[in-house]
Amino acid sequence: SQQGEEDPQALSIQEGENATMNCSYKTSINNLQWYRQNSGRGLVHLILIRSNEREKHSGRLRVTLDTSKKSSSLLITASRAADTASYFCATDGDSSYKLIFGSGTRLLVRP
Amino acid sequence: NAGVTQTPKFRVLKTGQSMTLLCAQDMNHEYMYWYRQDPGMGLRLIHYSVGEGTTAKGEVPDGYNVSRLKKQNFLLGLESAAPSQTSVYFCASTTQRLVDVYFGPGTRLTVL
Repeated sequence: SQQGEEDPQALSIQEGENATMNCSYKTSINNLQWYRQNSGRGLVHLILIRSNEREKHSGRLRVTLDTSKKSSSLLITASRAADTASYFCATDGDSSYKLIFGSGTRLLVRP
Repeated sequence: NAGVTQTPKFRVLKTGQSMTLLCAQDMNHEYMYWYRQDPGMGLRLIHYSVGEGTTAKGEVPDGYNVSRLKKQNFLLGLESAAPSQTSVYFCASTTQRLVDVYFGPGTRLTVL
């Protein structure tokens, strides 16, 4: 079974609004990462948060991590139509060799 | 610096045929991976390698074999293709720090 599960599965918002997506995982982790996938393309790394961090920012992205709840959230502020994509969380789970991806959130930003 | 490349980009097979997907990276990464992605779903790990000459099973290894004879290449083989293997296959690589994984553009495989 997959390590990470995203919520919601799909999200539709208006340009300029904020988008929040959540990820839950099952095992202890060293870090959690978020990736973006444009339709038909490979995944692109967005941001990494380590298990001893609670919040991290990168441009319009804000990631939080709650290891007690085994959950993370990705906030995209002031969304743009170009943010339309699928977003995946990934964790190293109980391994230091591999990343396991969640099922993803499909974000649609309407102009 | 081409990053991660995959060959071929598209392929159509008949049930029972075999094929090999090639992944190449020029970043001197130790770790390499093969994932599959089915429509509307996330990535599932098929096999991975932590160095030249090593391979290990991921979440969904059945029906696939891999080889890592050279550090820069990771091959995924389908010995007898089945319709259930219709998917998009992504190769990825990273360093031992596992902090930034680079993905290839994907191979779209259809098995009839």
